Amino acid sequence: NAGVTQTPKFQVLKTGQSMTLQCAQDMNHEYMSWYRQDPGMGLRLIHYSVGAGITDQGEVPNGYNVSRSTTEDFPLRLLSAAPSQTSVYFCASSRPGPHSPLHFGNGTRLTVT
Amino acid sequence: AQTVTQSQPEMSVQEAETVTLSCTYDTSENNYYLFWYKQPPSRQMILVIRQEAYKQQNATENRFSVNFQKAAKSFSLKISDSQLGDTAMYFCAFRYSGGGADGLTFGKGTHLIIQP
Repeated sequence: NAGVTQTPKFQVLKTGQSMTLQCAQDMNHEYMSWYRQDPGMGLRLIHYSVGAGITDQGEVPNGYNVSRSTTEDFPLRLLSAAPSQTSVYFCASSRPGPHSPLHFGNGTRLTVT
Repeated sequence: AQTVTQSQPEMSVQEAETVTLSCTYDTSENNYYLFWYKQPPSRQMILVIRQEAYKQQNATENRFSVNFQKAAKSFSLKISDSQLGDTAMYFCAFRYSGGGADGLTFGKGTHLIIQP
């Protein structure tokens, strides 16, 4: 069972470069979301989607774009990377309903120099 | 907006001891869900236990149990007979039951170390 798959696992970017973090799930979950984890900050919500074609902003959306063209995929785009975006990024998915636990990917460690 | 506070940045106990991790939250909502997630050194986020706010009975999962005090807005996690594999970051999280944002609000985490 693949669950939630994130690629790449590690990435180093230079300031101003762009890249896309990939996230795919094979559980047919409607809800998908992106979080960033910084030391001493816990996880903070960047963007989320309640279904294909529908996305919305979370707590810290600036500098990130998302789209949801299929149920399975939810890529996160950094258009112009900044050192403040150095972080570990997690993608998560779940069934509808607040009682449903999130299923997380293994994370992407991004360093922006 | 909801806030989740974990007041213990780090805890250390001996193997086989019982340990309690504290979590408090602030919300004006009445219906919500609370979760504890474990993050071992592998970085994977693993659900430990969840509690529905409208249920008075405390949730239990094997060695893990919670003490949910809704009026006090407290949601502590008790780990009994702690094992070396319990060493991890533990995050408390809140999720609103109503419509709108689908995300979790996380606390900053407690680093639990189980000593042999």
